[in-house]
Amino acid sequence: SYELTQPLSVSVALGQTARITCGGNNIGSKNVHWYQQKPGQAPVLVIYRDSNRPSGIPERFSGSNSGNTATLTISRAQAGDEADYYCQVWDSSTAWGVFGGGTKLTVL
Amino acid sequence: EVQLVESGGGLVQPGGSLRLSCAASGFTFSSYWMSWVRQAPGKGLEWVANIKQDGSEKYYVDSVKGRFTISRDNAKNSLYLQMNSLRAEDTAVYYCARDSTTVTPPDRFVDYWGQGTLVTVSS
Repeated sequence: SYELTQPLSVSVALGQTARITCGGNNIGSKNVHWYQQKPGQAPVLVIYRDSNRPSGIPERFSGSNSGNTATLTISRAQAGDEADYYCQVWDSSTAWGVFGGGTKLTVL
Repeated sequence: EVQLVESGGGLVQPGGSLRLSCAASGFTFSSYWMSWVRQAPGKGLEWVANIKQDGSEKYYVDSVKGRFTISRDNAKNSLYLQMNSLRAEDTAVYYCARDSTTVTPPDRFVDYWGQGTLVTVSS
């Protein structure tokens, strides 16, 4: 089955740029979606199909996907961005959704 | 405004049963694939089951096949998950989720999530 690999944790200084990666075999050929989950809350979609932002998501959130790595970029990081972030793809070979293990973002 | 409100979670003994419900509002429920996604305590997300708009297709993660049944009632804008033969490893928050899907290329993601309901399987 298809696997997605995320770093367990990423730290970023307040106001700087955070990059969270999601690795998978030839992931660039798939659509990657990203979710933000704050403690005690349900996940929220922040990026869909590699680089699209749902309405209400700040422009500071962006995404890219190429080769074996997809990246969620958070510019001008704020304290309120502290959360777990999950990447997700739809594995067409198994017709099932796959989530990465999640990355905890800490804003210092 | 899209709203998904789960109910039915609680404490159940191993081998027991539980039925989760999800009340949907703010969108045309019958037009969307729907899913249940769970999250064990301190763990990541796992897709559990999904169901086509008219209920004619249902899919499950291997670990729940034969034990869980997803269903829907479009007249009541409701999604259900019947869980039988529950195990300790089924302990998790269960989220009702609205799917956004494309056929070509095949793709799916969750565009709206409920607040979740906690299922605890323990003696």
